[in-house]
Amino acid sequence: DTEVTQTPKHLVMGMTNKKSLKCEQHMGHRAMYWYKQKAKKPPELMFVYSYEKLSINESVPSRFSPECPNSSLLNLHLHALQPEDSALYLCASSPGEEPNTEAFFGQGTRLTVV
Amino acid sequence: AQSVAQPEDQVNVAEGNPLTVKCTYSVSGNPYLFWYVQYPNRGLQFLLKYITGDNLVKGSYGFEAEFNKSQTSFHLKKPSALVSDSALYFCAVRDSGLYTDKLIFGTGTRLQVFP
Repeated sequence: DTEVTQTPKHLVMGMTNKKSLKCEQHMGHRAMYWYKQKAKKPPELMFVYSYEKLSINESVPSRFSPECPNSSLLNLHLHALQPEDSALYLCASSPGEEPNTEAFFGQGTRLTVV
Repeated sequence: AQSVAQPEDQVNVAEGNPLTVKCTYSVSGNPYLFWYVQYPNRGLQFLLKYITGDNLVKGSYGFEAEFNKSQTSFHLKKPSALVSDSALYFCAVRDSGLYTDKLIFGTGTRLQVFP
């Protein structure tokens, strides 16, 4: 199994809503990532979890709250988002933080904030 | 700081012709370079990587890339393009250290293969 599975595929939420994005991998990878991608732009890193601990937060606003319940799961909790937060949110995993390993990406969640 | 540049926003090629998607890099230390492809409304798929060793790296779907240290380039190539190769291609460098671990992507190149 070389897949990273993200749910939901699409999400529309209001600015006062609370929602969560989910990501799952069963490759035994110990590093998991959240990226944000705006249209026609490259992905930008948001968070990194290493061995289930948050290791990097790229100065992301607190309305985005990551969680790693176990080594296979990664969540992104959303609250009080703004329309400019609309984007494709990508989850990725890699075996570890070794620089010679590639990351595997999920298909993403297309988020629209109204 | 690590960075990659993709000088072309779009590359057009006829089906059956060879294709090249360009990438140049700027890194301190050993370069760990990657190519990913993204189809519309989809995630990124890994194509190939350069870590060390042979300068010609072979990857998925018939793609290969040539690492050139003197020109600091890592161009993606395919001998014969297919219409199904039409997609957005990203070159990336792994920035990994004590306080960081991320892929830094180029701006992307849209490949259009015409029948």
